[in-house]
Amino acid sequence: SQQGEEDPQALSIQEGENATMNCSYKTSINNLQWYRQNSGRGLVHLILIRSNEREKHSGRLRVTLDTSKKSSSLLITASRAADTASYFCATATGGYQKVTFGIGTKLQVIP
Amino acid sequence: GAGVSQSPRYKVAKRGQDVALRCDPISGHVSLFWYQQALGQGPEFLTYFQNEAQLDKSGLPSDRFFAERPEGSVSTLKIQRTQQEDSAVYLCASSQDRVSGANVLTFGAGSRLTVL
Repeated sequence: SQQGEEDPQALSIQEGENATMNCSYKTSINNLQWYRQNSGRGLVHLILIRSNEREKHSGRLRVTLDTSKKSSSLLITASRAADTASYFCATATGGYQKVTFGIGTKLQVIP
Repeated sequence: GAGVSQSPRYKVAKRGQDVALRCDPISGHVSLFWYQQALGQGPEFLTYFQNEAQLDKSGLPSDRFFAERPEGSVSTLKIQRTQQEDSAVYLCASSQDRVSGANVLTFGAGSRLTVL
């Protein structure tokens, strides 16, 4: 079963605009991660935020976490055509940190 | 190797055939996960290994699915008597674990299984 649910499921923006994706989850977490998947390829880890953190930055990526609302958001600033991909949030739970993925947001950046 | 290697990349099986999918994780990675990804969906958890121990197999869809990692490195996912609903991409991921205390996964390219 999917732990997370991303919103929106699809997003189309112009190059240079910012893209925001949201993720909601159901249970307590150790950390939350975002991954990117280009068409037909494996997933690539982007950024991790721990349950005691509220905001994290990495390059053009900004992730926030609100554990009271069980939600997270991923912001990609100044988007590029190469950012076109599916983005998944994943939550790590339990003693061995089981990683469970959401259904994903498909982002299209139009040049 | 430098990354997680999966083979075969593509497998076509007739309904009822058995298949075996191989995963070569990054050397030294303790944790190994298998996921099933249907078209347009997110990866669904199948099973988890810590070294050679299978600590969680709660995601395996039926007793036709079996996974092993006998020496704590290479893992094999076996599907017996394949059905059409088994058609999906099977993803393997490994994690160094016990370093930062977080499972940050490195994924292979996946094995795409098509059952006719």
